[in-house]
Amino acid sequence: KNEVEQSPQNLTAQEGEFITINCSYSVGISALHWLQQHPGGGIVSLFMLSSGKKKHGRLIATINIQEKHSSLHITASHPRDSAVYICAVSPSGGSNYKLTFGKGTLLTVNP
Amino acid sequence: GAGVSQTPSNKVTEKGKYVELRCDPISGHTALYWYRQSLGQGPEFLIYFQGTGAADDSGLPNDRFFAVRPEGSVSTLKIQRTERGDSAVYLCASSLVPGLQNTGELFFGEGSRLTVL
Repeated sequence: KNEVEQSPQNLTAQEGEFITINCSYSVGISALHWLQQHPGGGIVSLFMLSSGKKKHGRLIATINIQEKHSSLHITASHPRDSAVYICAVSPSGGSNYKLTFGKGTLLTVNP
Repeated sequence: GAGVSQTPSNKVTEKGKYVELRCDPISGHTALYWYRQSLGQGPEFLIYFQGTGAADDSGLPNDRFFAVRPEGSVSTLKIQRTERGDSAVYLCASSLVPGLQNTGELFFGEGSRLTVL
């Protein structure tokens, strides 16, 4: 079992829909990252959070440390949001740089 | 530079050849990370540099893989006697000096796609 599990693996939505991607992890962490990867490989960091909630534009990320769970929400989705969304965790302790990544969620937003 | 730059963006080589992949991090970022992403998988940690030294190279799969960062800026990932299983996207990321609690925000390059025939 992977230390970081994402669901769903694939998600197709219509433009304008509210989207939720989930991430569960099994290790103690110091921080959790949400990343966006477009075709061709480039990765962009969306959020880094260790508690509570962060918002940037139409994107919202939440984390529940007790439940070891995080969600990424996209409001008013748009075709340009189509990408792979990856959850990654920094383990607590001395090796916090050694991120463990989920396999990603492929999001397709149709016009 | 404005972002993390990786070269080449694509490399096709034959089995048994030697390959070098280069990463130029954001100026001032002392922490540099190499990851490898196989098709359909999330990235996997290879090596972490803090300044010029490899603080943790435990993710390198075997002794055919080696990385250097001689001046604390540009890093080169070197792969000897390449095998077909080495085919993957090799990602580089950098960050400011990591805080005590986490890596800090990571900035990724576009990756170098290596194909070993």
